[in-house]
Amino acid sequence: EDQVTQSPEALRLQEGESSSLNCSYTVSGLRGLFWYRQDPGKGPEFLFTLYSAGEEKEKERLKATLTKKESFLHITAPKPEDSATYLCAVQARRGGSNYKLTFGKGTLLTVNP
Amino acid sequence: NAGVMQNPRHLVRRRGQEARLRCSPVKGHSHVYWYRQLPEEGLKFMVYLQKENIIDESGMPKERFSAEFPKEGPSILRIQQVVRGDSAAYFCASSPRDESAFFGQGTRLTVV
Repeated sequence: EDQVTQSPEALRLQEGESSSLNCSYTVSGLRGLFWYRQDPGKGPEFLFTLYSAGEEKEKERLKATLTKKESFLHITAPKPEDSATYLCAVQARRGGSNYKLTFGKGTLLTVNP
Repeated sequence: NAGVMQNPRHLVRRRGQEARLRCSPVKGHSHVYWYRQLPEEGLKFMVYLQKENIIDESGMPKERFSAEFPKEGPSILRIQQVVRGDSAAYFCASSPRDESAFFGQGTRLTVV
């Protein structure tokens, strides 16, 4: 069974204080690892997809990296508007069923001004 | 994800009533997925549909829950005889193929 564990559960940062969120996963054949951002009362907003170990992607203050067992979401000089829950999900490679996303419980990030 | 439209955004039902949740995918997307988010839990896959076909409903409870994606119109997730444990946020996502899915804003179901 595919498993995704995110840590920490909650993270509080001061504005400008860089940090990283962790996503550890177990999957029998990774097709893709996804990062989403979710604001309270809203749906998940797509950020990145990573497909192979060593791959990195960046968007503004966010950078996602991938190894064979985990992914990191690095946040550089965060601003209060980066406050949200960040979700990690894996998609397994299984014949014709390459679609299910298995999600972690998320990391609640709070950035104080 | 602004293109995936779900309605209603909030739905209150009494125990035993039926709940109907609607999802209009991004124009041109033929793959629709439903996920459920319980309080303190992660998003859980429920069902995957293509036009007029249920491809995988392995995440759906065996009883009271059904889903459809007709040739015309939105996808519908139907919950019959709702119970308090059905209270959750239900999210629909769509994609053009079996790849990156874009989510709607969700329907928050409260059973009283």
